[in-house]
Amino acid sequence: DAGVTQSPTHLIKTRGQQVTLRCSPKSGHDTVSWYQQALGQGPQFIFQYYEEEERQRGNFPDRFSGHQFPNYSSELNVNALLLGDSALYLCASSTREGTSGRLGSTDTQYFGPGTRLTVL
Amino acid sequence: GDSVTQMEGPVTLSEEAFLTINCTYTATGYPSLFWYVQYPGEGLQLLLKATKADDKGSNKGFEATYRKETTSFHLEKGSVQVSDSAVYFCALSGWTGNQFYFGTGTSLTVIP
Repeated sequence: DAGVTQSPTHLIKTRGQQVTLRCSPKSGHDTVSWYQQALGQGPQFIFQYYEEEERQRGNFPDRFSGHQFPNYSSELNVNALLLGDSALYLCASSTREGTSGRLGSTDTQYFGPGTRLTVL
Repeated sequence: GDSVTQMEGPVTLSEEAFLTINCTYTATGYPSLFWYVQYPGEGLQLLLKATKADDKGSNKGFEATYRKETTSFHLEKGSVQVSDSAVYFCALSGWTGNQFYFGTGTSLTVIP
């Protein structure tokens, strides 16, 4: 059973450029969340996708956008890159409980290995 | 808002020593609590979780008990090994939200 996969592993960009990161969720999972982990810090929630829609968003600017495809995979796009966007970007997958469509508080998120983005 | 406060690191222990990493939380309602571990160069792996008060999560010799009265979820292990060297993150999943809130992480180094 494949876990959460992310690509690419590493990426180097320059300020002002745009980047796209990709994530495939764990088999059977329909919800994808994205996190930014700066060096020496805990992951910070960017947003979550379910049924191809953004369901919740953390405190990140509109330069950060995403997409979810019918097969549940997801992309994270960052425009107008800043030096401060250098970080490890983590994708996590999970599944919604019951029929409420809400991610239950008991649900575990499974993380991919991350994409290391360096902005020069 | 919901948040997690985690013991500052780094922590260095000798092999077979007892480990405690403190974690306290602030949350409305009834959050679930998690410990994740991150090995060098890797993503986060779930170590254990507890979904209601007084639950004890356990895995690989690690334990943590969900204490609502003290809003804590401290991680413990009776005898650490060199292979336990990693960064440990405490996290909560809020009752009303869809996101996880993470602590800043505690780096553990176990020396032979």
